[in-house]
Amino acid sequence: EVQLVESGGGLVQPGGSLRLSCAASGFTFSSYWMSWVRQAPGKGLEWVANIKQDGSEKYYVDSVKGRFTISRDNAKNSLYLQMNSLRAEDTAVYYCARGTRGIAAAGTPFDYWGQGTLVTVSS
Amino acid sequence: SYVLTQPPSVSVAPGQTARITCGGNNIGSKSVHWYQQKPGQAPVLVVYDDSDRPSGIPERFSGSNSGNTATLTISRVEAGDEADYYCQVWDSSSDRLWVFGGGTKLTVL
Repeated sequence: EVQLVESGGGLVQPGGSLRLSCAASGFTFSSYWMSWVRQAPGKGLEWVANIKQDGSEKYYVDSVKGRFTISRDNAKNSLYLQMNSLRAEDTAVYYCARGTRGIAAAGTPFDYWGQGTLVTVSS
Repeated sequence: SYVLTQPPSVSVAPGQTARITCGGNNIGSKSVHWYQQKPGQAPVLVVYDDSDRPSGIPERFSGSNSGNTATLTISRVEAGDEADYYCQVWDSSSDRLWVFGGGTKLTVL
């Protein structure tokens, strides 16, 4: 059974940092693109970042470029999101989601999602 | 940036057919994916590549895509289908590679 379990969320002050983790199991983690998707309270879904199987390609939504860093450790079956210079508008539930096994992620769906971890940026 | 437009809400009686639309410029040229999200839960993929269903998703869920509108159709709607539904496409010209629609709340009367 595919499982994705996020952790690391919490309350942080504006300008602070937080590192999210996503523990994967039930599939060959190193074979899949992985993404982070967030959802602000009462709002819709927003893709944040994704990373290729070997970590060689990383992409971000413009609003987090230069502040967030996606990474992965295939030996630990884990995905990470380092979030720096946090802003109030980053407040959201952050989900990790599994992408495709293909070489290119373009156009492919997210077939499994974790339950999410809440990040609250407030003073 | 590429914009996907969904109606905020759709209401349907049990046993009837619900149609949720997703509008976008020439969306028919893109692959559209649909997600169901129930309150307090993670999204679940219900239709991918316009009209394919992941394993475990009932045949009552179907999709189509042409021109400027993609449609998620739920036949013989059940109370358990009440949820938010989001469409998604990939767009390399946007400020974000994956674009989601604003979501549609399906209410089963």
